[in-house]
Amino acid sequence: QITLKESGPTLVKPTQTLTLTCTFSGFSLSTSGVGVGWIRQPPGKALEWLALIYWDGDKRYSPSLETRLTITKDTSKNQVVLKMSNMDPVDTATYYCAHKSVYGDYLDYWGQGTLVTVSS
Amino acid sequence: QSALTQPASVSGSPGQSITISCTGTSSDVGGYNYVSWYQHHPDKAPKLMIFEVNNRPSGVSNRFSGSKSGNTASLTISGLQAEDEANYYCSSYTSTNILWVFGGGTQLTVL
Repeated sequence: QITLKESGPTLVKPTQTLTLTCTFSGFSLSTSGVGVGWIRQPPGKALEWLALIYWDGDKRYSPSLETRLTITKDTSKNQVVLKMSNMDPVDTATYYCAHKSVYGDYLDYWGQGTLVTVSS
Repeated sequence: QSALTQPASVSGSPGQSITISCTGTSSDVGGYNYVSWYQHHPDKAPKLMIFEVNNRPSGVSNRFSGSKSGNTASLTISGLQAEDEANYYCSSYTSTNILWVFGGGTQLTVL
């Protein structure tokens, strides 16, 4: 059974760097074809894909946020970390991590999400 | 503004069928058979209901079905049940540097 859980601060100040951790179980990020991605949803707005890291270390970022994002993995700890720099109140959102299916380009398991508020 | 367009809300009575549309472009919905649908109850993890346009993951009721025509995908729920009340999002893989785009979500109300 695949599960993912996001963790990190609930409140960050403007200009700070947000660090979120996705801890997962039920799969290995060293398995060919696997990926873990991050998606966010501001209150009342649509979901937005942010980043993805593949089993082989390849990384993809949303072009609009690429300069602010860093995604890394620790296969031994079953964790993926997302860092977002220079946080702004518009970055207030629920942040989700999700598992990319081995069998195709879709996200098949998601975490429950963690709400991050950006405020001074 | 969302990349994919969904109606904000739909409603139906128990036992009825409803369809939710999801309109994109030839760079996403129309160009790939990688349309997914997610069911999202508040404070829970989004749940994959349909992948690759019309495939159901194991354990998802066959009351849920998906289809696509051109740049528009659709999710149909038949035999509506109270537990189906949730927000539904569509998603598509894209040919751009944005791997996945999402719709704005459709709130389904079971009357």
